[in-house]
Amino acid sequence: ETGVTQSPTHLIKTRGQQVTLRCSSQSGHNTVSWYQQALGQGPQFIFQYYREEENGRGNFPPRFSGLQFPNYSSELNVNALELDDSALYLCASRLEAGNSPLHFGNGTRLTVT
Amino acid sequence: GQQLNQSPQSMFIQEGEDVSMNCTSSSIFNTWLWYKQDPGEGPVLLIALYKAGELTSNGRLTAQFGITRKDSFLNISASIPSDVGIYFCAGQRDSGYSTLTFGKGTMLLVSP
Repeated sequence: ETGVTQSPTHLIKTRGQQVTLRCSSQSGHNTVSWYQQALGQGPQFIFQYYREEENGRGNFPPRFSGLQFPNYSSELNVNALELDDSALYLCASRLEAGNSPLHFGNGTRLTVT
Repeated sequence: GQQLNQSPQSMFIQEGEDVSMNCTSSSIFNTWLWYKQDPGEGPVLLIALYKAGELTSNGRLTAQFGITRKDSFLNISASIPSDVGIYFCAGQRDSGYSTLTFGKGTMLLVSP
């Protein structure tokens, strides 16, 4: 049990629609990052938020966007969904300082049809 | 996106056997991490390595951070059925960022 909770656990959307995924970070963790895990692959970094600002981004198009709130909860938004967006979306949080490692939630399984 | 080279891709062993898996990269990482992922769940941290050459144990698990900072291995001794799952290595360049580069995973199956 990592203390990182994500909702919903499963979601089915149609191509072209928009989706919002939510994450509640572990208590005291002010850095949150999002990863996309396609079937049979390792997670791929999407972006990171620290104190409500995006401060790192992977190789994902602008239709992937996010928010971090003052209570350190977070959202991942994806616009104009494509079939290839079908994946497990993982939220992870960590303490700001030092070498504290990432702790992952159980993810949201998104299926785009 | 970039992924680390993780091997083997899968392993099927008997309970009680030892297991070894490794991870290599063409570039240097300053932190190496090993995660385990069970079906329907997120990755769970097993071991974190912060110093080149470091050897760290967590129960039956032992991991090493390669001297070149481009590789790491994970050993599991005396495997048990609950060791079944997918094991991922991950490298991190800068402790100030959460950007992890993952391998594709090693699927471990343990026969009772």
